[in-house]
Amino acid sequence: EDQVTQSPEALRLQEGESSSLNCSYTVSGLRGLFWYRQDPGKGPEFLFTLYSAGEEKEKERLKATLTKKESFLHITAPKPEDSATYLCAVQQTSGSRLTFGEGTQLTVNP
Amino acid sequence: ETGVTQSPTHLIKTRGQQVTLRCSSQSGHNTVSWYQQALGQGPQFIFQYYREEENGRGNFPPRFSGLQFPNYSSELNVNALELDDSALYLCASSQGQARNTEAFFGQGTRLTVV
Repeated sequence: EDQVTQSPEALRLQEGESSSLNCSYTVSGLRGLFWYRQDPGKGPEFLFTLYSAGEEKEKERLKATLTKKESFLHITAPKPEDSATYLCAVQQTSGSRLTFGEGTQLTVNP
Repeated sequence: ETGVTQSPTHLIKTRGQQVTLRCSSQSGHNTVSWYQQALGQGPQFIFQYYREEENGRGNFPPRFSGLQFPNYSSELNVNALELDDSALYLCASSQGQARNTEAFFGQGTRLTVV
């Protein structure tokens, strides 16, 4: 059974204080690893898809990386508007359902 | 905005009642997936429809059922509502079985069962 574990559960940063979120996964054949951002009471917003170990993708202050066992979401010089829950999900090669982790709730204080 | 729309946005139902949630997929997408997200948890896969056929189901009882229509919009039906069914219900649309199948989510329907 696919498993996704995210850490930490919650993270508080000061504006400008860079950090990383972790997503560890177990899947029988990875088609893709997805990162989403979710604001309270709203649906997840797509950020990145990573397909193979060594792949990296960047968007503004966010950079996602992938190894065979985990993915990191690096946040450089975060701003208060980056405050949200960040969700990681995996997709098997044999199907298209997403298996999500519990998320990391990020708070960036001004 | 993703182009995936869900209705209604909020709903309050009584235990034992039935509910229907609706989802319009993004233009060009033929696959719709439904997820249940309890407060403070990640979304849990309910089922998926691809070209009007069920294409995978998660660990949810048969009282959770769905439909997909020829225009690829979809419905989620839940019978005999229980208090634990209170959650945010999310619909995601994607483009079939190809490799680059990013799923785009709607804003969700918040269901409260009292």
